[in-house]
Order: sequence, then structure tokens, then C-alpha cells
Amino acid sequence: EVQLLESGGDLVRPGGCLRLSCVASGFTLSTYAMGWVRQAPGKGLEWVSGISGSDGSTYYADSVKGRFTISRDSSKNMLFLQMDSLGAEDTARYYCAKRKGPEGGEFDLWGRGTLVTVSS
Amino acid sequence: SYELTQPPSVSVSPGQAARITCSGDALPKKYAYWYQQKSGQAPVLVIYEDNKRPSGIPDRFSGSSSGTMATLTISGAQVGDEADYYCYSTDSSGNPVFGGGTKLTVL
Repeated sequence: EVQLLESGGDLVRPGGCLRLSCVASGFTLSTYAMGWVRQAPGKGLEWVSGISGSDGSTYYADSVKGRFTISRDSSKNMLFLQMDSLGAEDTARYYCAKRKGPEGGEFDLWGRGTLVTVSS
Repeated sequence: SYELTQPPSVSVSPGQAARITCSGDALPKKYAYWYQQKSGQAPVLVIYEDNKRPSGIPDRFSGSSSGTMATLTISGAQVGDEADYYCYSTDSSGNPVFGGGTKLTVL
């Protein structure tokens, strides 16, 4: 079955860090563009970061640039999001999502998300 | 930064057509996509490339795009179609952009 499963969400203090993981099943993650999309409580969807399936180029929303790092491990078929210098505005459910092609397209497969809460 | 603008809410009676709009300056050159998100669930793609329907999506869901506006139409809306709907496209760099979302109420 083709699916994505996120983990790593937790309660963290402001200024802290967290690493999210996403394991893919049923397809080779590294051959597709992948991304992280977040949703703050009661709010809309916000693209956070992406990685190319062609050359591994990485991309970030301005709101997280310099604080978050996306990466992948092809041997484990996994995607990661390292989040540093977290603030209350980063509180959200974080979804791992696959894009249609190696360079982009729509998100055609989503995980169920993992919850990150930043609070003292 | 590039923005896609949607109405916050749309309300229709069961059986009526629901139309949700999405405006963006780049839509004449970029495809629009639509996601449905029911409470507590991950988004589901209901329209891709302006007007195509993924397999498994009922044919009462349709999409169109003209100029700077894309429209999602749900013909004969059902109570089960109540959800948040998000339009999606990409900016000039190819990065994903979501609209603010529209809450559809069917009652």
C-alpha cells in the first residue's frame, strides 16, 4: 500500500528544536519531489519546505528559512524536517506529502500528520 | 509573495450547486488544483490541472479556470460534502501556494 507515516511531533519549549520523520511505503521517496505542509490549529494549509526528486535541491518558505532543514535518507525511504529556534508560531500539525513528479506538481499523497506544540 | 484568495465561507442547501472561487494573478499561466479537507483528516485532491478529476472523486465535483479566477463547483451538494476546500497552485519559482481555504456548509 502506498502511504506516508509521520512521527516526531511533541511539546517543545520556545527556542527549542525538534526533528520530524516521515517513512514512505509503496514507492521510492527519493524519485519524487516531497514536501512538508503545516496547519496551525483552526487555520489553513501552509507549505513549509520541499526537496526535489531530481537533484535533491531544497526549498523553504520565508517563515522558516534559516531555521528548518529538510533532508531525506534514500536507504531508509524517509524524509526529515529538522526544526530549530522554534516559536509559538510554529505550533501546527505537520504533514508529509508527495508531489506528482520529480520536480513538482500537485501533492497527491499525504500522511496523517504529526502535531508540534511550542509552549512554555 | 504570491497569494491565492478564497472566500472564507460558502453555504448552500442540499441539492444546490456550490461554487467556490480562487483568485490569483498567475492563474492565467498556472494550473489550479483543489483539495477537500474534512474535520480531523488530511487533505484529499478533488480537482487537478484546472478541471480534471482524480479517480474515485464523484462527477458532481468539477473545476474551471478563466483569467485570474479558478472555480470549484459541486453540483447537487450533499451534507457529506461539508468540508474546508483549498485551492492550490505554484508561484513563479515553482513553490507551492495554498489559498486561505473556504468552509463549505450544506444545510
